[in-house]
Amino acid sequence: GENVEQHPSTLSVQEGDSAVIKCTYSDSASNYFPWYKQELGKRPQLIIDIRSNVGEKKDQRIAVTLNKTAKHFSLHITETQPEDSAVYFCAASPPSGGSYIPTFGRGTSLIVHP
Amino acid sequence: GAGVSQTPSNKVTEKGKYVELRCDPISGHTALYWYRQSLGQGPEFLIYFQGTGAADDSGLPNDRFFAVRPEGSVSTLKIQRTERGDSAVYLCASTPGPIGTGELFFGEGSRLTVL
Repeated sequence: GENVEQHPSTLSVQEGDSAVIKCTYSDSASNYFPWYKQELGKRPQLIIDIRSNVGEKKDQRIAVTLNKTAKHFSLHITETQPEDSAVYFCAASPPSGGSYIPTFGRGTSLIVHP
Repeated sequence: GAGVSQTPSNKVTEKGKYVELRCDPISGHTALYWYRQSLGQGPEFLIYFQGTGAADDSGLPNDRFFAVRPEGSVSTLKIQRTERGDSAVYLCASTPGPIGTGELFFGEGSRLTVL
């Protein structure tokens, strides 16, 4: 099955700095890579996603990059704000049962200090 | 409803007991997923339904775990002879159709504690 590795497990930055979270995956058939944000005690919510036919996608302060050859994708947050503090999960979606089931990384706890 | 609803939000039980967790997906969503999230970990896939049938149950850890979705809407995750290692937050998610194209809409989860 798919295996997703995520680093770092904890990331502490000052407000206004950039934050980068990196993930690798093992199944070359994976073709959909979402990122979820989970605040303490809350449900995970999608913040951005990228598909295998695209190398980069940007949405305001958030960007994702994908390198299918290296099986590597990253989340970039610029101009971080205290409200960005949360746990971020990457996922890779291999085909299964006629669909694509996201396999999640272990998460990165991002702390933004004011 | 407006979002995915899960009940109970918290469940404390004793080792060996039987537990049922309920998920009510977003109206009209045909695909439903169960994930399990242990403390400090990412969501771990358990089972996926497309309509009434389990399209993929490869994530169920053993035969103590079973899930149903008899009418293609509400789903129930059933855990027999609970063990302390079953303690986790059980997340349900739904999507309009097969996931290949978009977001999982998660519920708030059911926190299960097995004493």
